[in-house]
Amino acid sequence: GAGVSQSPSNKVTEKGKDVELRCDPISGHTALYWYRQSLGQGLEFLIYFQGNSAPDKSGLPSDRFSAERTGGSVSTLTIQRTQQEDSAVYLCASSLGGGIFYEQYFGPGTRLTVT
Amino acid sequence: AQKITQTQPGMFVQEKEAVTLDCTYDTSDPSYGLFWYKQPSSGEMIFLIYQGSYDQQNATEGRYSLNFQKARKSANLVISASQLGDSAMYFCAMREGTGNTGKLIFGQGTTLQVKP
Repeated sequence: GAGVSQSPSNKVTEKGKDVELRCDPISGHTALYWYRQSLGQGLEFLIYFQGNSAPDKSGLPSDRFSAERTGGSVSTLTIQRTQQEDSAVYLCASSLGGGIFYEQYFGPGTRLTVT
Repeated sequence: AQKITQTQPGMFVQEKEAVTLDCTYDTSDPSYGLFWYKQPSSGEMIFLIYQGSYDQQNATEGRYSLNFQKARKSANLVISASQLGDSAMYFCAMREGTGNTGKLIFGQGTTLQVKP
């Protein structure tokens, strides 16, 4: 079946602009996660959605970052007033459920470059 | 504090030999899951194997096995009969059971190169 998809695959933006990154999880997966991967910081958790529960936003680095998940499926990560330190690969993952034993399946990522 | 440590930045192994990638973790939560992921140069993260903190036996998935030593807080990945396609970055990760957080905490990764 189809895996997690993300768009765009690459995004170059100017400092100060807003960007939106999209994630389509695997059909039927109730849990969705956003991470980012950068050379300096490694892999960092950003946000977690599970069903209709309130999202876990504990990993969002600043209030410039926000995410929503519509209809329990597609998610959008928005970064406002982008800064150069936001340059990274943003990875989305989904899992069948929210328990710790569910493996997370990752998408191909969006490479964000802020100039 | 929850933490994952991978002390081997890079490893080499001869094709067809076995290799062990080290991972130690730190948590005060009695309920947790441990995961290994592979990231080839193409960038996708591929799930390899899972071990739960209450599992009595070491997890195995094909050529992958997880050497789980709970008292030592280690969860080493063993790859048997290495193949050239195993060359990649490998990440150890942990997820805690309490607090309803979905986050995986990742180690810094180990780059494995398989020599022909």
